[in-house]
Amino acid sequence: ETGVTQSPTHLIKTRGQQVTLRCSSQSGHNTVSWYQQALGQGPQFIFQYYREEENGRGNFPPRFSGLQFPNYSSELNVNALELDDSALYLCASGGSRENTDTQYFGPGTRLTVL
Amino acid sequence: SQQGEEDPQALSIQEGENATMNCSYKTSINNLQWYRQNSGRGLVHLILIRSNEREKHSGRLRVTLDTSKKSSSLLITASRAADTASYFCAANTGFQKLVFGTGTRLLVSP
Repeated sequence: ETGVTQSPTHLIKTRGQQVTLRCSSQSGHNTVSWYQQALGQGPQFIFQYYREEENGRGNFPPRFSGLQFPNYSSELNVNALELDDSALYLCASGGSRENTDTQYFGPGTRLTVL
Repeated sequence: SQQGEEDPQALSIQEGENATMNCSYKTSINNLQWYRQNSGRGLVHLILIRSNEREKHSGRLRVTLDTSKKSSSLLITASRAADTASYFCAANTGFQKLVFGTGTRLLVSP
């Protein structure tokens, strides 16, 4: 049990729709990172937030956006969904801005885009 | 792609045997971490080895790191059926993100 929760567990959307995924980090952890994991692959870094500001971004288009709130919760928003967006989305919280610590992952949200 | 490679992709062993999986990465690192993932769910942190360390132990886990070869290995001794999972290495470059390998699927049969 990592203390990181995500909702919903599963989600089905159609192409072109928008989706919001939610994460609740461990109390006291100032960073939250989001990862996309396609079937059979390792997770790919989407972006990180530190104290409510974006603090690094991977190779994902602007239609992937996020928010972090003062109560250690965060959101991942994806607009104009594409079939290739079907994946497991993981959030991870950590203590340091430099991200050199262990990351604590939530159980993930499995998104299916039809 | 920056993603690392893991070898083997899949490993099937009997309970009590040792399991070794290898990881190669592409960039310089602050540390390298290993995670376990059960049935496509969340990742569980197993062990972290810093770039100035060569070997680290935690229970039945032994990790080695060779920064000159940009490679690491994870040894699980005396495997149990409960060790069945996918295992990922993750390179921490010290700049916001973990770069994960492609994973090794381990099956431990009773």
